[in-house]
Amino acid sequence: QKEVEQDPGPLSVPEGAIVSLNCTYSNSAFQYFMWYRQYSRKGPELLMYTYSSGNKEDGRFTAQVDKSSKYISLFIRDSQPSDSATYLCVLGGPGTASKLTFGTGTRLQVTL
Amino acid sequence: GAVVSQHPSWVICKSGTSVKIECRSLDFQATTMFWYRQFPKQSLMLMATSNEGSKATYEQGVEKDKFLINHASLTLSTLTVTSAHPEDSSFYICSARVSRGANLRNEQFFGPGTRLTVL
Repeated sequence: QKEVEQDPGPLSVPEGAIVSLNCTYSNSAFQYFMWYRQYSRKGPELLMYTYSSGNKEDGRFTAQVDKSSKYISLFIRDSQPSDSATYLCVLGGPGTASKLTFGTGTRLQVTL
Repeated sequence: GAVVSQHPSWVICKSGTSVKIECRSLDFQATTMFWYRQFPKQSLMLMATSNEGSKATYEQGVEKDKFLINHASLTLSTLTVTSAHPEDSSFYICSARVSRGANLRNEQFFGPGTRLTVL
């Protein structure tokens, strides 16, 4: 079993839709939960960083962490064609010096 | 803030030659930098962890004599692919972890990547 499971997609939605991206993980020692966005042939860009259960909102993005279920989500409201990219869930811990564990990434396509 | 650059952004070389890739943290100091490689439609694979002033720590299966890493300063790490072969063709991405004393966080900031093609 992989430490982090993420549906690779592709996920295609119309412009303006609400997008839900999810990951599950197996290791309860993970303490830090991040979402990165990666455009084709570019490096990943940090979108959200959380370390506790609950919701964190930043503009059109909301990150949700449920440690009891080992489930994390990223919601994108009012999706735009510019949101078309691969979204990686990335987990860290225990400790701040630990390596990161990457999901496989979900490819999102927002159509006009 | 937290900008990481890489140079070159792409390189094509002949088999058997060596290629050096630079990774710089532009507006912050990074005691730890990381080197990843990414194959098409796959996620990032950690190759090595680079600590300023000390030897890099390589992941299992990564040849340290082939992928030379030098972290000479708090803002610069280099990866040299020695005697490159076509199977080394990949997208190489570096990242840096922000060091803020006791407030060290776990997120990494990534460079834009270097696409290496070995003919």
